[in-house]
Amino acid sequence: QVVLTQAPSASASLGASVKLTCTLSSGRSSYAIAWHQQHPDKGPRYLMNVNSDGGHNKGDGVPDRFSGSSSGAERYLTISSLQSEDEAVYFCQTWDTGVWVFGGGTRLTVL
Amino acid sequence: EVQLAESGGGLVQPGGSLRLSCEASGFTVSNSYMSWVRQAPGGGLEWVSLIFRLGNTAYADSVRGRFTISRDSSRNTLYLQIDSLRADDAGVYFCARHHDGDWIDSWGQGTLVTVSS
Repeated sequence: QVVLTQAPSASASLGASVKLTCTLSSGRSSYAIAWHQQHPDKGPRYLMNVNSDGGHNKGDGVPDRFSGSSSGAERYLTISSLQSEDEAVYFCQTWDTGVWVFGGGTRLTVL
Repeated sequence: EVQLAESGGGLVQPGGSLRLSCEASGFTVSNSYMSWVRQAPGGGLEWVSLIFRLGNTAYADSVRGRFTISRDSSRNTLYLQIDSLRADDAGVYFCARHHDGDWIDSWGQGTLVTVSS
């Protein structure tokens, strides 16, 4: 079964850029994923899906500061010009036959 | 605008039952792939169950045989029947819509299930 691995935490300064990583388990480098953002005590928000070729489609209203890319089994979410409201937990999500899987999430702190 | 509104959570004793509801607006539940996803306190997201457009269903191993997903087209509502509740079933339950059977593209705000005697 596919497994997604994310670093538990990341931090970056206000106005800077940060690149979050989601790694697909062995043999799954062709899989697409989706990124979701969750603020404390809120439901998650869909940000975008990212294909193995780096192509991505963003959800409604997602700022241009958010972008996605890929390299091998890694899928990335890059946030530029960090703002305080970007402080949240970011989850990646994928799917396989009969199962839908989430990474453990990365808690982003904006310094 | 797509909206999902969960309800039905509450405090239940171990071994008890609960039915969660998710009222949808802005799209048709019966034409969509719909999931329930849960989150334990302070934890990550765990997919629980999905209902396909044709009505067939899928469940995570941890809930198979105890949870039942269903929908009511006339009410445009998704349900999750939870039986034989255990302590590790506690958490916030979110309803979610999928883009086809792939990524989730819309989420509700969640309903809290507490399991305690």
